[in-house]
Amino acid sequence: GESVGLHLPTLSVQEGDNSIINCAYSNSASDYFIWYKQESGKGPQFIIDIRSNMDKRQGQRVTVLLNKTVKHLSLQIAATQPGDSAVYFCAEKPGTASKLTFGTGTRLQVTL
Amino acid sequence: KAGVTQTPRYLIKTRGQQVTLSCSPISGHRSVSWYQQTPGQGLQFLFEYFSETQRNKGNFPGRFSGRQFSNSRSEMNVSTLELGDSALYLCASSPRVSGYEQYFGPGTRLTVT
Repeated sequence: GESVGLHLPTLSVQEGDNSIINCAYSNSASDYFIWYKQESGKGPQFIIDIRSNMDKRQGQRVTVLLNKTVKHLSLQIAATQPGDSAVYFCAEKPGTASKLTFGTGTRLQVTL
Repeated sequence: KAGVTQTPRYLIKTRGQQVTLSCSPISGHRSVSWYQQTPGQGLQFLFEYFSETQRNKGNFPGRFSGRQFSNSRSEMNVSTLELGDSALYLCASSPRVSGYEQYFGPGTRLTVT
């Protein structure tokens, strides 16, 4: 499949452990944030989103935390599985009429 | 529902040539956005089309252009290809213009030699 990124920071996690992927965003006016997962050979897939009026949102095995004070977003994956191995991107959207701006991505490697 | 489809999946062109990539959005989605993904620059927004009109544009030279048809299918064109245009080109569809929900296709891998 395609190489998503050759120069990405990499997080190695053992299967079963929890993963935390961090993202610093740039625009304090952003009101919507999304985490995407991109597997080799595929386009980004939506994981979870959060609006700026929230500081935490939970999904199935995933939690997103938003700290607007320091413009920081994190994605927590519980009980990481080999199928979670992928590149994870955060994206921000500063307003309804604007485009998504993506972060540089983090590669998650799950070791057995 | 079928997902976003992009054709072709892989393409090799030489410098100076032009290329046209195609994207079919999810049925019912009227917004199509294009992104360029490279190892050095990451995911960068090219443009968005909604109801056959360009609604948003990123910071790319005029060699990059696009259009959308009445059935919401979209094409993007790159003229006078340069080596730096080698990238994965991703298309995303959304039900609304500048929509929060973006559904991505698998991409077209363009290699310029």
